[in-house]
Amino acid sequence: ETGVTQTPRHLVMGMTNKKSLKCEQHLGHNAMYWYKQSAKKPLELMFVYSLEERVENNSVPSRFSPECPNSSHLFLHLHTLQPEDSALYLCASSPGHGGTEAFFGQGTRLTVV
Amino acid sequence: RKEVEQDPGPFNVPEGATVAFNCTYSNSASQSFFWYRQDCRKEPKLLMSVYSSGNEDGRFTAQLNRASQYISLLIRDSKLSDSATYLCVVTVYGGSQGNLIFGKGTKLSVKP
Repeated sequence: ETGVTQTPRHLVMGMTNKKSLKCEQHLGHNAMYWYKQSAKKPLELMFVYSLEERVENNSVPSRFSPECPNSSHLFLHLHTLQPEDSALYLCASSPGHGGTEAFFGQGTRLTVV
Repeated sequence: RKEVEQDPGPFNVPEGATVAFNCTYSNSASQSFFWYRQDCRKEPKLLMSVYSSGNEDGRFTAQLNRASQYISLLIRDSKLSDSATYLCVVTVYGGSQGNLIFGKGTKLSVKP
């Protein structure tokens, strides 16, 4: 069992749909992250939560809405996405926020049609 | 200038070869440095942290040159299983508050 689990692994959604990505970490970490990985681009940090509080939102469009109900769970709510939002969405956690290595989930491969 | 720059490759090398990857970073206030490995269609995984004095883990050696803002990874005696994309990662303090900043990665392909 991996320390960081993401569901679903694959998702195809229409531009008018609403869906949610889920991430759960079993490592007792205090910080959780959402990253986006598109082809031929570096990983882009989207959101950071530290001790359940959002500490960073990297100018992400409002069609992406994160939620962190507790330190073990992180959600990414999606609505009215665009085809260019198709990418691999990776959740990660780290012991604390700042300077420590991150542990990644296996990602959700999202296709917007 | 990109925050973390890497040669995308691909580096195609025979088994047993020694291969080196380089990475430069733009923010002189960067504090922590890592190499991650990402296999095709998988998540990134930490390969090793990079310390100022340099560090070695088996066939892998990482070096940091703060003056030149340069990080390297050396792989000796390459194995087929080393084929992957290697991501250079720095922690930038200040505006990004300690978040991990990733390079695009360098693709390595080890051939029999």
